Amino acid sequence: KQEVTQIPAALSVPEGENLVLNCSFTDSAIYNLQWFRQDPGKGLTSLLLIQSSQREQTSGRLNASLDKSSGRSTLYIAASQPGDSATYLCAVNTGFQKLVFGTGTRLLVSP
Amino acid sequence: EAQVTQNPRYLITVTGKKLTVTCSQNMNHEYMSWYRQDPGLGLRQIYYSMNVEVTDKGDVPEGYKVSRKEKRNFPLILESPSPNQTSLYFCASSSRTGRSYNEQFFGPGTRLTVL
Repeated sequence: KQEVTQIPAALSVPEGENLVLNCSFTDSAIYNLQWFRQDPGKGLTSLLLIQSSQREQTSGRLNASLDKSSGRSTLYIAASQPGDSATYLCAVNTGFQKLVFGTGTRLLVSP
Repeated sequence: EAQVTQNPRYLITVTGKKLTVTCSQNMNHEYMSWYRQDPGLGLRQIYYSMNVEVTDKGDVPEGYKVSRKEKRNFPLILESPSPNQTSLYFCASSSRTGRSYNEQFFGPGTRLTVL
């Protein structure tokens, strides 16, 4: 059974710092991995999608990498801002668009 | 604007009173799913649909029903809600390009409380 773990569970950093969020999964048979952002009481916003054949994807200050063989992904956020404060979720697609989610990393960026 | 909509956004009901949460997408996506989100457990898939009239169970289907009569709509039905179905519910939709699955788009969520 696929399990997804995100470390750390919570992270507090000062504005401007570069940071890395980690995601690990137990079964490398995935189709893709997607990173989401969730603000309190809100829905999920898709940040980046990495197909299983890809190694990384970039969007603005965000860069996500995928090492399928080792079951790891990282989300790198450059020059963090207070507006980046949210919970970040990673999810692996195990087929038929079934996403298995981690429990998230709660990020707080202080001014 | 491409979007997934859910209604209602908030609902308080009582045990045993049948309810339906609607989900609609305007992107002509063939795949749609329902998830529930609970503290400490994360998001878990309830049901999914690969196209009209094609549905299947996810990880936590007990107590729920779905139907997919039209491509754009995927309602979630609770025939006899119980307090353990109190949760935050999300609908999602997506498409496929060749052998690759595309990103999933999520609705704004429905917060359900069953008393």
